[in-house]
Amino acid sequence: DAKTTQPNSMESNEEEPVHLPCNHSTISGTDYIHWYRQLPSQGPEYVIHGLTSNVNNRMASLAIAEDRKSSTLILHRATLRDAAVYYCILRDHFAGGTSYGKLTFGQGTILTVHP
Amino acid sequence: DSGVTQTPKHLITATGQRVTLRCSPRSGDLSVYWYQQSLDQGLQFLIQYYNGEERAKGNILERFSAQQFPDLHSELNLSSLELGDSALYFCASNTPTPPGTGYADTQYFGPGTRLTVL
Repeated sequence: DAKTTQPNSMESNEEEPVHLPCNHSTISGTDYIHWYRQLPSQGPEYVIHGLTSNVNNRMASLAIAEDRKSSTLILHRATLRDAAVYYCILRDHFAGGTSYGKLTFGQGTILTVHP
Repeated sequence: DSGVTQTPKHLITATGQRVTLRCSPRSGDLSVYWYQQSLDQGLQFLIQYYNGEERAKGNILERFSAQQFPDLHSELNLSSLELGDSALYFCASNTPTPPGTGYADTQYFGPGTRLTVL
């Protein structure tokens, strides 16, 4: 699986935007970029995913670099409830067999939101 | 609430013992995944089942086994437990689309079972 690199931790103030970076310089053409987050004492939850174009949903936006070697998860107005570990994950949507389906988590970024 | 349930929430046992963790997937989901989260290894994929059949295996120890039953619930069996098996065990479910689509195939995670081996 292609590797991702994220900062260990980031801090933000409530109601300010947060930009969480992810580097994936060895991404392949069929890798989608997925983001999951894990709130304290909970299981991970899906946030957003994309291939080449920027994506928006009700939780966040995903900005993907033109060369796809990096991406940024954007929380437009952080709330205290957004404090979590954010994981950037690459998934090959065309791989079959035993590679397909599983999520390979890195260390993620611990986001702290200050009131 | 993801719709995935896991029991028990906490489990404390001794080295050498055997335990069974149970997972009920979201209604209608055919696939179940098991993950282990420990402080030193992070979140690691263990095994996936799809409609009763094993689909993919990760770094699952030989002392660990799993199965998915006809009603689609799954059990993870851990035997000859060691101190290092202490971890959070998560189950996730979905119904994956075939390779080649752009669907997220979002995995929905349960709240986890915290296993402590003393």
